Amino acid sequence: NAGVTQTPKFRILKIGQSMTLQCTQDMNHNYMYWYRQDPGMGLKLIYYSVGAGITDKGEVPNGYNVSRSTTEDFPLRLELAAPSQTSVYFCASSYLDSSTGELFFGEGSRLTVL
Amino acid sequence: GENVEQHPSTLSVQEGDSAVIKCTYSDSASNYFPWYKQELGKRPQLIIDIRSNVGEKKDQRIAVTLNKTAKHFSLHITETQPEDSAVYFCAASILGILTGGGNKLTFGTGTQLKVEL
Repeated sequence: NAGVTQTPKFRILKIGQSMTLQCTQDMNHNYMYWYRQDPGMGLKLIYYSVGAGITDKGEVPNGYNVSRSTTEDFPLRLELAAPSQTSVYFCASSYLDSSTGELFFGEGSRLTVL
Repeated sequence: GENVEQHPSTLSVQEGDSAVIKCTYSDSASNYFPWYKQELGKRPQLIIDIRSNVGEKKDQRIAVTLNKTAKHFSLHITETQPEDSAVYFCAASILGILTGGGNKLTFGTGTQLKVEL
């Protein structure tokens, strides 16, 4: 299994541009998440999904959109990029079974908005 | 919502010494407390977790303790080694099928641990 795969790994955007961060997992996990990580600030939840067709906001959703058309894919869309969205973005997934709470993270996508 | 505070932000120890990182949480309904390790430029990875019905859990050189009354939990690393150098994050969540929302972790701000030779 490849686990959680994110693309691209690095991207530079100009203010006002849009882009999509791709995330796919091959572990048949129901739950998927997008976090952003800013220096010294830990990880903050942007959006999450409990299954195909179902998404919900996390702590910091403004400026982002998501969709979940399949169990495997959970893309994150940035519209009208702003410097405040410069960050490292991590996609993660987890099992439906609540006996284990482990989140499996992708390698991250470093985004710079200039 | 949940708020998790983590201390210290940086910690430097000599190889072989012990390291302790402490976290507090605000939501008394939280029942799941994991610790993630993140090496430089890498993804966070789970190293140990504890449920609210357990006071202590140990896995080789690492252990976690939980005080539900005081709403704080701690990570203990004994006999530290250079490869323990990384950023450690604590987190908290309400985990269970009935929540219907997966495992929405709230993370602390991280502790940079440096193990010096």
